Amino acid sequence: GQQVMQIPQYQHVQEGEDFTTYCNSSTTLSNIQWYKQRPGGHPVFLIQLVKSGEVKKQKRLTFQFGEAKKNSSLHITATQTTDVGTYFCAGMGGSQGNLIFGKGTKLSVKP
Amino acid sequence: GAGVSQSPSNKVTEKGKDVELRCDPISGHTALYWYRQSLGQGLEFLIYFQGNSAPDKSGLPSDRFSAERTGGSVSTLTIQRTQQEDSAVYLCASSLVWQNTEAFFGQGTRLTVV
Repeated sequence: GQQVMQIPQYQHVQEGEDFTTYCNSSTTLSNIQWYKQRPGGHPVFLIQLVKSGEVKKQKRLTFQFGEAKKNSSLHITATQTTDVGTYFCAGMGGSQGNLIFGKGTKLSVKP
Repeated sequence: GAGVSQSPSNKVTEKGKDVELRCDPISGHTALYWYRQSLGQGLEFLIYFQGNSAPDKSGLPSDRFSAERTGGSVSTLTIQRTQQEDSAVYLCASSLVWQNTEAFFGQGTRLTVV
């Protein structure tokens, strides 16, 4: 079945440093979504990428979708303590409707 | 309602008992997902409903788990003969259509099997 791998599992950074998490799928995806889950909360949608090679930015966050539509990345520039949480990618297969999540990257930011 | 509603928010049950978890999706959302999240872990896909199509049950971990979605709206996840390893947060999400739209999550039901 479809699998979505995400690395690293944990990332500890000093405030102001950059952060990147990577997502890889075993199959070609129709789209990929990114979610953030704050400690004690539920996942909240950040963005969706649909097109091959697509790049989207949200302030300090940059999202990329690979040319083959099998991998993606999230990059945060100059992390802040408010960025703390777990970032999940979620892939949706071409003919399947289910949304498969990676295991997430837990980000901690030291002030 | 304004968002995805799940009930109960917390459930403590004895090993061997059956439990039912309820999810009220956002009105009009045709897709509904159930996930399980163990402490500090990722989201494990359980089951997916889309409109009137047969659900995708490929993620259900055993035949003790089942789910229904009545009238294309409310969904119930049932766990029979609960085991301690079933302890987790069960998250429900819904989306407007199954492709190219974001999933909105409920607050989850924290299930503890003692």
